[in-house]
Amino acid sequence: KQEVTQIPAALSVPEGENLVLNCSFTDSAIYNLQWFRQDPGKGLTSLLLIQSSQREQTSGRLNASLDKSSGRSTLYIAASQPGDSATYLCAALMYSGGGADGLTFGKGTHLIIQP
Amino acid sequence: EPEVTQTPSHQVTQMGQEVILRCVPISNHLYFYWYRQILGQKVEFLVSFYNNEISEKSEIFDDQFSVERPDGSNFTLKIRSTKLEDSAMYFCASSENRGFEYEQYFGPGTRLTVT
Repeated sequence: KQEVTQIPAALSVPEGENLVLNCSFTDSAIYNLQWFRQDPGKGLTSLLLIQSSQREQTSGRLNASLDKSSGRSTLYIAASQPGDSATYLCAALMYSGGGADGLTFGKGTHLIIQP
Repeated sequence: EPEVTQTPSHQVTQMGQEVILRCVPISNHLYFYWYRQILGQKVEFLVSFYNNEISEKSEIFDDQFSVERPDGSNFTLKIRSTKLEDSAMYFCASSENRGFEYEQYFGPGTRLTVT
């Protein structure tokens, strides 16, 4: 059964720093990996999707990488801002018999950017 | 920008009562999903739905749960007889199709409180 783990569980850094959030998954047979942002009490906002054949994706100050062989993905945030404070979730879409539907989520990294 | 909407935002019900959570997926999307997040825990996949039938379901999605697309726009999750442990945030999501290149877009969630 696929397990997704995120380290660290929480991170607090001063504004302006570059930072890396880590995600690992136990089964490399994934279709894709999505990174989400969740603000307190709110829904999930999709940030980036990396297909299994891709190595990285970029959107603005965000860069996500994927290494299927080692079962790892990283989310790099450049020049962090207080507005980046949120919980960041990664989720893997697994192969199954007829396709793949349900995402398997990590527990998230709670990020605080200090002004 | 098109988005997934959910109603109500918060539902309080007594144990044993039936509840229906409603979602309007993005209009050109073909796949619909329900997830839940118990407070402090991971987001968990419940069920996916395509072409008016269940595509995939998790172990959580037992006989107490059902899904329906009653018309061309709404997608509902029914819990037949609620239990205290059903208290959670329920997220609806949709994707354009199924597979490695399709992001899942999430709604803001319905917080269900069972008393």
